[in-house]
Amino acid sequence: AQKVTQAQTEISVVEKEDVTLDCVYETRDTTYYLFWYKQPPSGELVFLIRRNSFDEQNEISGRYSWNFQKSTSSFNFTITASQVVDSAVYFCALSEAGGGADGLTFGKGTHLIIQP
Amino acid sequence: ETGVTQTPRHLVMGMTNKKSLKCEQHLGHNAMYWYKQSAKKPLELMFVYNFKEQTENNSVPSRFSPECPNSSHLFLHLHTLQPEDSALYLCASSQALAGSTFTDTQYFGPGTRLTVL
Repeated sequence: AQKVTQAQTEISVVEKEDVTLDCVYETRDTTYYLFWYKQPPSGELVFLIRRNSFDEQNEISGRYSWNFQKSTSSFNFTITASQVVDSAVYFCALSEAGGGADGLTFGKGTHLIIQP
Repeated sequence: ETGVTQTPRHLVMGMTNKKSLKCEQHLGHNAMYWYKQSAKKPLELMFVYNFKEQTENNSVPSRFSPECPNSSHLFLHLHTLQPEDSALYLCASSQALAGSTFTDTQYFGPGTRLTVL
């Protein structure tokens, strides 16, 4: 069965610090997709990134970067020069059937607090 | 309206009430989902509709009844709920490929915060 573990329940940093959110996954499939979503206090899950299991290239988007390592089954998310607006709960998710015919399996989320 | 919308945003109901949650997607997608997010558990998939056909029911109690009249609308009918059903109910949509289990990224609505008294 698939499983996603986000061991960090809550992280608090001061604005402008870099912060890394960890995600470890388990799956028996060779084809799978990994996702990160952001959930601000408003509640809506905002899509950030999707990676497929065949693409281990790291990705950078502005202050956000993702490190996908199949050898350690990890898909970590780094925010560089954090800002107060980055405060939210971040979820890592896994799908074994493309983008989600069977739905997504989510980790428990990491609550990120950026202090001014 | 853009993206995925959900109404109402907040709902308080008694255990004997009957209510419905509504979800509408404006993305041209053909797969829709209901998820439950409660304080004690991670996000849980409840139902999946792919091309208007229900393809997944994750052992959800019968007091939750989904309905998908077309590819743009999804309902969750609620009756005789329990206090432990209080949670944030999230709707999502994605694009599914015909004849395939593959679907694209799921996009979520803002959720309905449900409180059962």
